[in-house]
Amino acid sequence: AQSVTQLDSHVSVSEGTPVLLRCNYSSSYSPSLFWYVQHPNKGLQLLLKYTSAATLVKGINGFEAEFKKSETSFHLTKPSAHMSDAAEYFCVVSRRGKLIFGQGTELSVKP
Amino acid sequence: DAGVTQSPTHLIKTRGQQVTLRCSPKSGHDTVSWYQQALGQGPQFIFQYYEEEERQRGNFPDRFSGHQFPNYSSELNVNALLLGDSALYLCASSLMGQVGAYYEQYFGPGTRLTVT
Repeated sequence: AQSVTQLDSHVSVSEGTPVLLRCNYSSSYSPSLFWYVQHPNKGLQLLLKYTSAATLVKGINGFEAEFKKSETSFHLTKPSAHMSDAAEYFCVVSRRGKLIFGQGTELSVKP
Repeated sequence: DAGVTQSPTHLIKTRGQQVTLRCSPKSGHDTVSWYQQALGQGPQFIFQYYEEEERQRGNFPDRFSGHQFPNYSSELNVNALLLGDSALYLCASSLMGQVGAYYEQYFGPGTRLTVT
């Protein structure tokens, strides 16, 4: 069965410092992986997706993620946090068109 | 290009009542999926519609049913509402069979359902 585990329920960083949101996946075959962001009282926005073409995936707003098969990880990073990055982030695996979400990581950004 | 739209935005119902939520997919998309997001949780897959048929279903009771219309819009119906049905209901659209799309889904803003 496919699943994702987000290793931190809450991450707090200072503005201008790097962001790391951790995600491990479980899949019996090459997975389709995504990161979505949800701002308060908003729907979900796709940040980036892993398509197996490249292990380092660049997304919107300066985010990127690296697919590491040996570690079954798909961590999300950003070099410098901005106040507007404060939101809930979901790591997601797709199984035949059905999205399976992690529990989410709340990112707080301090001035 | 219109994105995914959902109506209503908010809804308050009483236990035992029935509710219908509506979704219009992104222009050009033909597949609609519904998700339930309880407070503080990740979204959970309810079901997916393509060609006016339910193609996949998650672990939800039969009280949850849906429909897709010829214009690809969709409805989610919930009967005999329980307090535990209070949640944000999200609709997502995608294009079935698009090679390389990797089932990329675009989400609407959701409908907040409160059951009292």
